[in-house]
This record gives sequence, structure tokens and C-alpha cells, in this order.
Amino acid sequence: QKEVEQNSGPLSVPEGAIASLNCTYSDRGSQSFFWYRQYSGKSPELIMFIYSNGDKEDGRFTAQLNKASQYVSLLIRDSQPSDSATYLCAVPSEGGYQKVTFGTGTKLQVIP
Amino acid sequence: NAGVTQTPKFQVLKTGQSMTLQCAQDMNHNSMYWYRQDPGMGLRLIYYSASEGTTDKGEVPNGYNVSRLNKREFSLRLESAAPSQTSVYFCASSEARGGINEQYFGPGTRLTVT
Repeated sequence: QKEVEQNSGPLSVPEGAIASLNCTYSDRGSQSFFWYRQYSGKSPELIMFIYSNGDKEDGRFTAQLNKASQYVSLLIRDSQPSDSATYLCAVPSEGGYQKVTFGTGTKLQVIP
Repeated sequence: NAGVTQTPKFQVLKTGQSMTLQCAQDMNHNSMYWYRQDPGMGLRLIYYSASEGTTDKGEVPNGYNVSRLNKREFSLRLESAAPSQTSVYFCASSEARGGINEQYFGPGTRLTVT
């Protein structure tokens, strides 16, 4: 079983809508979770991390963590065409927090 | 402050040729990583170095070797390139603080093996 699962998409949303991206993970002991954004042809960059159950908000981005159900999600409010990218979920690998396992990513397309 | 730099940006190799991908970071991070990214496969860890003087295998180490030359530099070597090694290679570095390990990525090397 893969450690981190994401729907590859593409997820298409109209400009101004809320985009909801989901990620499930297999290691119940995972403590922290990361969302990276990757524009086409570019390298990933961290946009959010969360380590407590509940919601964490940063501007238009909200990360939601549910450890009991083993999923973490990213909500993007007021989606903009500039949000069009692939969003990668990452979870520390078993055996230590120095390594992380990345999901395959969800491609988001925001339609003007 | 350049962050993480990688050379070269693009490379075409013939099967059987060898080459070394270079990576350097100027953030004084202890940990460094090499990933490959293939369509539909996400980022897969090849090797990593938790600190200067140590290296460990990741998920897909076969066909690769690494050297942590010093705290700043971490190189990836392909001894005998194969078409299956056609990919985009990313180097990253990180410094864990409070259990949070944010990774910073270089711009990538696009490698084609014919």
C-alpha cells in the first residue's frame, strides 16, 4: 500500500470558487504534514504545513487535518488562475522525520 | 542567498555514458536529498544525507551513487546511464526545527538518456 495517496486530477474549478484537494496517508504515527505547490516546469515549494488536528489558515489557504480518518486536505478560497499548479502532499516517512514521502500530486486548473 | 543550485540544467546522454549531477546549498542545512520525478510517479527519493559524512538509500537507489562532499555540496553520479533514468532530478536541502522538516528544492536537472 502506498504511504500517501492523492487523486491525480485534473481538478477544474472556476475563478473565485473554492478548490478542495485531498490526501490520505497510511502511517497512523505521522505527526506533521506538508503541502507543496509545483508550477509546470518548476520545482516544488512549500505552502503549508500542519501538525495538529483541525484547521490551519494562511491567507486564502486552509489546511485541514483529521488524524482519526488519516486524511489531510487543502482548501484554496477565491481561486485564481495563478493557483493553477500541481499540489503535492508530503508526509514524514516511517522511521524518522528527516525523510518525507510525497504523493503523486493533484493538478489544479482554475478557469478564468 | 542563492538557496539550492543545481548543474547542469539539461543533459542528454547516450546509454552507458556516465555523469555527475552537482548540487550546492548556502543555507547551512544539515540534510540534503536527491529525488527523481517522472510523470504519474511523483517525487521519489534516490538518496539522502542526514548530515555531513552520512548517506543513506532512499526508495530508488539502484544505478546511482552519491557523495556528500562537505556540508554545502551533495552530488549524484550515474555510472552507466540507462534510458530508464530519463527523468527530472531535484536536489533539496532541509533543517528540521521542532520536528518540522521543510525542504527547499533546486531548479532541477532534465536528463534524457538515448
